[in-house]
Amino acid sequence: SAVISQKPSRDICQRGTSLTIQCQVDSQVTMMFWYRQQPGQSLTLIATANQGSEATYESGFVIDKFPISRPNLTFSTLTVSNMSPEDSSIYLCSVGQGSTQYFGPGTRLTVL
Amino acid sequence: QQQVKQSPQSLIVQKGGISIINCAYENTAFDYFPWYQQFPGKGPALLIAIRPDVSEKKEGRFTISFNKSAKQFSLHIMDSQPGDSATYFCAARGSDAGGTSYGKLTFGQGTILTVHP
Repeated sequence: SAVISQKPSRDICQRGTSLTIQCQVDSQVTMMFWYRQQPGQSLTLIATANQGSEATYESGFVIDKFPISRPNLTFSTLTVSNMSPEDSSIYLCSVGQGSTQYFGPGTRLTVL
Repeated sequence: QQQVKQSPQSLIVQKGGISIINCAYENTAFDYFPWYQQFPGKGPALLIAIRPDVSEKKEGRFTISFNKSAKQFSLHIMDSQPGDSATYFCAARGSDAGGTSYGKLTFGQGTILTVHP
């Protein structure tokens, strides 16, 4: 299975600022996804990160708030823009390999 | 139609007992049903998965039972151990009504399993 790393592992940010989360995979993958997991909740897909084109966002998520880059087949970034306390969550990168999706360790974000 | 409903929300089992978590779905386009295990502070880890053409899959102490006609599937953990204490998520993968978003996982609400020694 793919080995996925995320940076930072956690951060505490001030309201109104932005944070960029990096996701690195140890092999080339076609499909990469970004999920949000609010405290004590399930996982919600934010967007599919497409290599060489714009990300595909799910209902309720917009590019201005969550811009995503996918410059190659092993790397992606998610930016959480103009943060508010409601953005406090775990943000997870996921990759698809075969029939399966594997998750990174997550980035725990706290917004004050 | 994209929802996956999971129950119970929490479960307490004695060591050695059987833990059973249930999920139900509505979208018949789902074609792959994984279960994930998540420990605090960690990302979800794939535990076991099944396709709808199979009624049961067993891997060690973990078994998925799948009922296609009822659109339900369940995870059974035999001989539950304190180390199994974690949050478990069922999920379903497939395209939406328009045939897009293939590969996207829809998750259940999660079950917090506690196994007492």
